[in-house]
Amino acid sequence: GAGVSQSPSNKVTEKGKDVELRCDPISGHTALYWYRQSLGQGLEFLIYFQGNSAPDKSGLPSDRFSAERTGGSVSTLTIQRTQQEDSAVYLCASSDRTKGNIQYFGAGTRLSVL
Amino acid sequence: GDSVTQMEGPVTLSEEAFLTINCTYTATGYPSLFWYVQYPGEGLQLLLKATKADDKGSNKGFEATYRKETTSFHLEKGSVQVSDSAVYFCALSEGGANSKLTFGKGITLSVRP
Repeated sequence: GAGVSQSPSNKVTEKGKDVELRCDPISGHTALYWYRQSLGQGLEFLIYFQGNSAPDKSGLPSDRFSAERTGGSVSTLTIQRTQQEDSAVYLCASSDRTKGNIQYFGAGTRLSVL
Repeated sequence: GDSVTQMEGPVTLSEEAFLTINCTYTATGYPSLFWYVQYPGEGLQLLLKATKADDKGSNKGFEATYRKETTSFHLEKGSVQVSDSAVYFCALSEGGANSKLTFGKGITLSVRP
């Protein structure tokens, strides 16, 4: 596609439920990043995928968070047993190392945990 | 670890005023530096970048110079417009195996006619 696509754009869930957030990166971009934007913490790195390498999960805040990237393209961020503090905007970005490695961001998924 | 510190906001200016948004960083290596902008209702966009000391990034009338001696990357514009109203984030990337971005807290700029 022309840009990074994220879905859904908004998600409202009840505390304790699991949610899945989807990211479709720019075609051909081998690197994919997830970030979280919240009022208290600003923009935080969560996880990074590069090609077929093992992901860098160093930013995941707890074991309730996980992500996968299938076929080197689409990625899903899963949050299990959601808590109110998980409410935030989840941003996905992709980049191409051969083109300056600039990260291009999607519009984000706004998650609200009631 | 790496960190980015931005001046506190919000900032409100009149159209055609001069803009400076301060940004300083702490990093273990020689990072690349970025300014990203988030317009109302839109996603983050790269505004400009600099990859080494004394480099100047520029775009849309905005400029920032990579100052290694002061570990700073202040954003400037000589004459702001109403359309510049947005949230501005300073960020760094160490590069290497993981080019994750470390962001500052962001600052909201409002430009009034």
